Amino acid sequence: AQTVTQSQPEMSVQEAETVTLSCTYDTSESDYYLFWYKQPPSRQMILVIRQEAYKQQNATENRFSVNFQKAAKSFSLKISDSQLGDAAMYFCAYKAAGAQKLVFGQGTRLTINP
Amino acid sequence: KAGVTQTPRYLIKTRGQQVTLSCSPISGHRSVSWYQQTPGQGLQFLFEYFSETQRNKGNFPGRFSGRQFSNSRSEMNVSTLELGDSALYLCASRRDRPTDTQYFGPGTRLTVL
Repeated sequence: AQTVTQSQPEMSVQEAETVTLSCTYDTSESDYYLFWYKQPPSRQMILVIRQEAYKQQNATENRFSVNFQKAAKSFSLKISDSQLGDAAMYFCAYKAAGAQKLVFGQGTRLTINP
Repeated sequence: KAGVTQTPRYLIKTRGQQVTLSCSPISGHRSVSWYQQTPGQGLQFLFEYFSETQRNKGNFPGRFSGRQFSNSRSEMNVSTLELGDSALYLCASRRDRPTDTQYFGPGTRLTVL
């Protein structure tokens, strides 16, 4: 069974600084997708960024980028120029190609200090 | 385009009762998935519906069931509620292909007393 591990239950960063959230996963599949979702106190789960395993290039969305290391089964999220609105729970998620369900990590609570 | 909507947003029930939660997907999305979120177990997959058919089911007891209508709207039902069913229930929709990203609704907070 696939598993996703987020080893940092909580992280904090100063506003405007850079922070990296860690995620590792375990799978025997070769084709899959990885996601970072953000869940603010409003509870709405929002997609931050998505990575296809067959793509070697790391995905980037404005201030958010990933470091995808397929051999190491690592998928970290870097947030640059942190803003107060980035404060939320961040979940790493995995989905095998052709599968319907997402497998989530336990989440990392990110605090932004002004 | 309107996002995924879920009703009701909050629900309080007592043990033994049953409850029905509703999810309206993004227009054009035919797949609806349900997840349960609790502090202890995190986010767990309940089931997924596509074209009114359940295609995948997570490891939950038979008290948890769902259905999907021809307009892609979905409902999930929990019968004989237990205290442990207290959770945030999230619905997610996507278009047709498994490669499509799932977009989540705001969730229904269920409290069982």
